[in-house]
Amino acid sequence: AQTVTQSQPEMSVQEAETVTLSCTYDTSESDYYLFWYKQPPSRQMILVIRQEAYKQQNATENRFSVNFQKAAKSFSLKISDSQLGDAAMYFCAYRPGGGTGNQFYFGTGTSLTVIP
Amino acid sequence: DTGVSQNPRHKITKRGQNVTFRCDPISEHNRLYWYRQTLGQGPEFLTYFQNEAQLEKSRLLSDRFSAERPKGSFSTLEIQRTEQGDSAMYLCASSARSSGTNEQFFGPGTRLTVL
Repeated sequence: AQTVTQSQPEMSVQEAETVTLSCTYDTSESDYYLFWYKQPPSRQMILVIRQEAYKQQNATENRFSVNFQKAAKSFSLKISDSQLGDAAMYFCAYRPGGGTGNQFYFGTGTSLTVIP
Repeated sequence: DTGVSQNPRHKITKRGQNVTFRCDPISEHNRLYWYRQTLGQGPEFLTYFQNEAQLEKSRLLSDRFSAERPKGSFSTLEIQRTEQGDSAMYLCASSARSSGTNEQFFGPGTRLTVL
């Protein structure tokens, strides 16, 4: 069974600093996709960044980047130059690849506080 | 730009009552998902539609839960004889088949409170 683990329930970062959120997953699949979603308080979840498992290059989206370690089944999110608007719950998610990959498996989330 | 919408946003009901939620996906998306999220947890998959066909159901979806997507557009999730344990945020998401990563776009959710 696929599981996603986020071991940091809460994290805080000073504005303009860098923070890394951890995520590990368990799967026997070789083809899959990984995602980080952001859920601001009382607002809907939005996609932050995605990574295809077959790609060795780590994904980057502006201030957000990932460190994808396939062998270690690790998928951490780095937020650079943190901004007040980055404060939210962050969820790591896994989706199997191939034709059967429909549902996402989410971790329990990390609540990020940005300190002015 | 119209994203995924859900109605109502909040629902308070008494135990034993039936409730129905609606989800309107992004118009060109043929895949629709329902998730349940309880406090302090990530979303848990409930069910998945491709067009009007319900292709996957989680074991979390007890007999009291039923979902439909009659014309392959909007979807409804009904909970019969609600229990206090049904209190949660119910999230809907949609995706396009043409998307290689099957990125899901989420709605704002319906928060259900069962008294």
